[in-house]
Amino acid sequence: EVQLVESGGGLVQPGGSLRLSCAASGFTVSSNYMSWVRQAPGKGLEWVSVIYSGGSTYYADSVKGRFTISRDNSKNTLYLQMNSLRAEDTAVYYCARDGPPTIGAFDIWGQGTMVTVSS
Amino acid sequence: EIVLTQSPGTLSLSPGERATLSCRASQSVSSSYLAWYQQKPGQAPRLLIYGASSRATGIPDRFSGSGSGTDFTLTISRLEPEDFAVYYCQQYGSSPFYTFGQGTKLEIK
Repeated sequence: EVQLVESGGGLVQPGGSLRLSCAASGFTVSSNYMSWVRQAPGKGLEWVSVIYSGGSTYYADSVKGRFTISRDNSKNTLYLQMNSLRAEDTAVYYCARDGPPTIGAFDIWGQGTMVTVSS
Repeated sequence: EIVLTQSPGTLSLSPGERATLSCRASQSVSSSYLAWYQQKPGQAPRLLIYGASSRATGIPDRFSGSGSGTDFTLTISRLEPEDFAVYYCQQYGSSPFYTFGQGTKLEIK
């Protein structure tokens, strides 16, 4: 079965760090464009970051310089390292697959993991 | 940066009726990269339409997408009770790569 399972969310103080994980099954993470998308409570969807199959990475301006996307091919897992967290980073974080083949749309989503930034 | 504006914000209809949701882009979007999602409370979004008009796997044929350039439409031909949810359009292109509209809530009248 093709699926994504996120973990690593929780409560963190402003300025703190957190690393989210997204374990994939049924397909190979490194062969696809993989993204993180977040949704603040009661709000819409916001794309956060993407890692292309070739390894290039890109970020939304709101997280650039603070978040880092990566993958571990041996574990077939996607990560999001979040540093210098702010209250406005509070959201459910989803990992998602684009395609395949890359269609510019997310066909597989994880169940989401909640990140709360609060003192 | 391309901004996607969805209308209406809320649409109140009854089961069996036809729903028409709009997504307007601030500049031209490649039809190859315009998608629609459905999201129900507490759930992840579900891909309905990609490439402006192609249904994703397992999506009923009452869902259809159309449009080009800056104006796109999601149509649900005959609403079923399970269709009441929030719908988002999304485009893929140059930075910031993936952009979502603010959503349309489809509620039961």
